[in-house]
Amino acid sequence: QKEVEQNSGPLSVPEGAIASLNCTYSDRGSQSFFWYRQYSGKSPELIMSIYSNGDKEDGRFTAQLNKASQYVSLLIRDSQPSDSATYLCAVIQYGNKLVFGAGTILRVKS
Amino acid sequence: DAEITQSPRHKITETGRQVTLACHQTWNHNNMFWYRQDLGHGLRLIHYSYGVQDTNKGEVSDGYSVSRSNTEDLPLTLESAASSQTSVYFCASSDPGTGVTEAFFGQGTRLTVV
Repeated sequence: QKEVEQNSGPLSVPEGAIASLNCTYSDRGSQSFFWYRQYSGKSPELIMSIYSNGDKEDGRFTAQLNKASQYVSLLIRDSQPSDSATYLCAVIQYGNKLVFGAGTILRVKS
Repeated sequence: DAEITQSPRHKITETGRQVTLACHQTWNHNNMFWYRQDLGHGLRLIHYSYGVQDTNKGEVSDGYSVSRSNTEDLPLTLESAASSQTSVYFCASSDPGTGVTEAFFGQGTRLTVV
């Protein structure tokens, strides 16, 4: 079992729709959770961090965390073509090891 | 501005050669990480360090080594380069001890082993 799992996609959504990205993790001791966006040929950049159960909103982005289910999600509202990228879920496991999922490719069609 | 830089940005080397990729950060972060990124695998952890003289193996550490002699640098060495090590390599740093839990990434190094 991979430590952090994501559906590789591609996930295709029309412009203006809500994109929903999901991630599960295996280490119950994990404390910090992140979503990074990566454009082709570029470095990952942080878009959201979440540390406690529930929802966290920042502009068009909402991160959701459910530690009991070991599940993290990212919602992107009013999706734009510029949101087309690979989205990486990352988890800090017990002991401060930062582990990434394989990423989900998002395509927003105009 | 504080930053994290990798060098070189591109490297072509021959099978069997030793190669060292540099990573330098000016944030004074304690944690530093090396990842490789291949299509379909996301970022896979090679080695990481929590401070000077501390190094730890990640999930894909075979054929790689690191050393941490100061806070700013974590060079990654490929002892004997193999074609399977052709990849894009990313270095990152963070410092949860000071509240910087998120990782900041360098620009990446594209390594080709021929």
